[in-house]
Amino acid sequence: KAGVTQTPRYLIKTRGQQVTLSCSPISGHRSVSWYQQTPGQGLQFLFEYFSETQRNKGNFPGRFSGRQFSNSRSEMNVSTLELGDSALYLCASSLVTSPNEKLFFGSGTQLSVL
Amino acid sequence: DAKTTQPTSMDCAEGRAANLPCNHSTISGNEYVYWYRQIHSQGPQYIIHGLKNNETNEMASLIITEDRKSSTLILPHATLRDTAVYYCIVRLAGGTSYGKLTFGQGTILTVHP
Repeated sequence: KAGVTQTPRYLIKTRGQQVTLSCSPISGHRSVSWYQQTPGQGLQFLFEYFSETQRNKGNFPGRFSGRQFSNSRSEMNVSTLELGDSALYLCASSLVTSPNEKLFFGSGTQLSVL
Repeated sequence: DAKTTQPTSMDCAEGRAANLPCNHSTISGNEYVYWYRQIHSQGPQYIIHGLKNNETNEMASLIITEDRKSSTLILPHATLRDTAVYYCIVRLAGGTSYGKLTFGQGTILTVHP
């Protein structure tokens, strides 16, 4: 069974540009969550999607957005990139069949903003 | 979610047991204890989780104290590949969000030859 797939693995952008990251969850998983990891702030929750609806959102500005498609694949978008957006962006998926379901993470997309 | 406290770093000799402590004194009755680990520049990997009872799987054992205020992750025979950052996370069971984990700073475990 394939794991969580994130593309691209590495990305370099310049300030002011926008970027779209993609996440394909494990087959059958309906919940997709996104996290940002930086050396200074550690791992921080961005948002979670279930059945194409955003269920929860972390404390990030509106420049960070996401969506989920009917096949559970998800994308996140960051507009007007800032230097501080340089980070490892991680996607996680889960089945959502029980309250103690575990999350499975992808390898992440390493975004560098110049 | 309840806050967790972990030592910043720990060392372990290869082949020996690694015992990683976690304090979660404000945990409530419907919160699980989860352990994840992260090897540099990879996504976190699930290790084990539990509510009240001790748990064991092919990777590790989780010992939760009777009052649930602390727990210990045990890697029975540590190898060099177990060198990673280990995160202890307290997570609410159920609710409306299944995908949110609150990560702390974790424990950097270094396994020495």
